[in-house]
Amino acid sequence: DAEITQSPRHKITETGRQVTLACHQTWNHNNMFWYRQDLGHGLRLIHYSYGVQDTNKGEVSDGYSVSRSNTEDLPLTLESAASSQTSVYFCASSESTGLSGYTFGSGTRLTVV
Amino acid sequence: QKEVEQDPGPLSVPEGAIVSLNCTYSNSAFQYFMWYRQYSRKGPELLMYTYSSGNKEDGRFTAQVDKSSKYISLFIRDSQPSDSATYLCAMSAQGGSEKLVFGKGTKLTVNP
Repeated sequence: DAEITQSPRHKITETGRQVTLACHQTWNHNNMFWYRQDLGHGLRLIHYSYGVQDTNKGEVSDGYSVSRSNTEDLPLTLESAASSQTSVYFCASSESTGLSGYTFGSGTRLTVV
Repeated sequence: QKEVEQDPGPLSVPEGAIVSLNCTYSNSAFQYFMWYRQYSRKGPELLMYTYSSGNKEDGRFTAQVDKSSKYISLFIRDSQPSDSATYLCAMSAQGGSEKLVFGKGTKLTVNP
């Protein structure tokens, strides 16, 4: 069965370290998205991609970067982790056409200490 | 004004009750409307999808869109404890596969 997986599920890191969160999907979806979810803010878009070599900034992109070298993966990198980046991160993917909505991963809970 | 407003609740109802969840929005270009359900410590999952105005029914769930009022609703009939979750509305101007704008979510608890 097709799926979207995120790793790790939980991570604790120190302020200033570079951290990469992985997202891998086997749906063959062109569109991929990264959101963070915080109490009181809901889901906020960090970065998104509509295909290989395409990346775009979302509403809260400062301090984050992504790259898309193939269809399956969209890793999210925190260049220098800050305590304000403690959050739950969700990756999602969708078809480029049609009324399919998003398929979400199970999330990565990141704590920056 | 936020693009999408959703009452965060929490909402607590007895089993068997009819539940009404709502979102308002400000962007008149939105045409695609979705409801996602999120269980604790899980990713959101697509529950209902509607295009433009009107109603859509799926089992105990009914989604309504009133574009003239910029108001969408999700009704749950005969609510069950398994419906306890956070419900997020989401919408887009260009299609459900494009960049979505989410409400903050309403936390629902159905008590047995």
